[in-house]
Amino acid sequence: NAGVTQTPKFQVLKTGQSMTLQCAQDMNHNSMYWYRQDPGMGLRLIYYSASEGTTDKGEVPNGYNVSRLNKREFSLRLESAAPSQTSVYFCASSESTGGVDTQYFGPGTRLTVL
Amino acid sequence: GENVEQHPSTLSVQEGDSAVIKCTYSDSASNYFPWYKQELGKRPQLIIDIRSNVGEKKDQRIAVTLNKTAKHFSLHITETQPEDSAVYFCAATLLYSSASKIIFGSGTRLSIRP
Repeated sequence: NAGVTQTPKFQVLKTGQSMTLQCAQDMNHNSMYWYRQDPGMGLRLIYYSASEGTTDKGEVPNGYNVSRLNKREFSLRLESAAPSQTSVYFCASSESTGGVDTQYFGPGTRLTVL
Repeated sequence: GENVEQHPSTLSVQEGDSAVIKCTYSDSASNYFPWYKQELGKRPQLIIDIRSNVGEKKDQRIAVTLNKTAKHFSLHITETQPEDSAVYFCAATLLYSSASKIIFGSGTRLSIRP
């Protein structure tokens, strides 16, 4: 049981390049999330998917797109990377049951945009 | 928009002393309040949570209190140990049947002095 996995672990891009961050979970959770973490800013929600086939914007969606490929996989795409997108990106999954919703995070992707 | 304020941003305590981290949320509909611990270079992990119908919850050396009227909740760590050094995030969550709307605080970096 791997939990939540992310690829790649590290990435360096030049301004204007594109890339896709991959995320997969094996816990059969319905909900999946993408966050970015910047120093002093905590975790900010980029996009989330409540279930397969649905996606919604979070707090900071500009410059990103997402795809919920199936129940297991949720990808984040940067079409034209900008230095402001330099951050650590975390994927998470969860299941709301019994008044509790624990977010299980992946190991993160450290992205640098030059 | 909704937000969660977390204080202090940094906290240094002597080993064995207590640490208190406080959060205030704006969305009165929030009904679930988890706390996450993030060690250096690692992913955030849930350490304790509290539901809106509960005023206090304890788990060994950690406890969380909730004051719904004041929209305020706090994390208390007693008898602090070196392994408690980490960044702690509070979060306010609105649980729906299909997904959660979660907003994180900006984090508190806790350092334990030997």
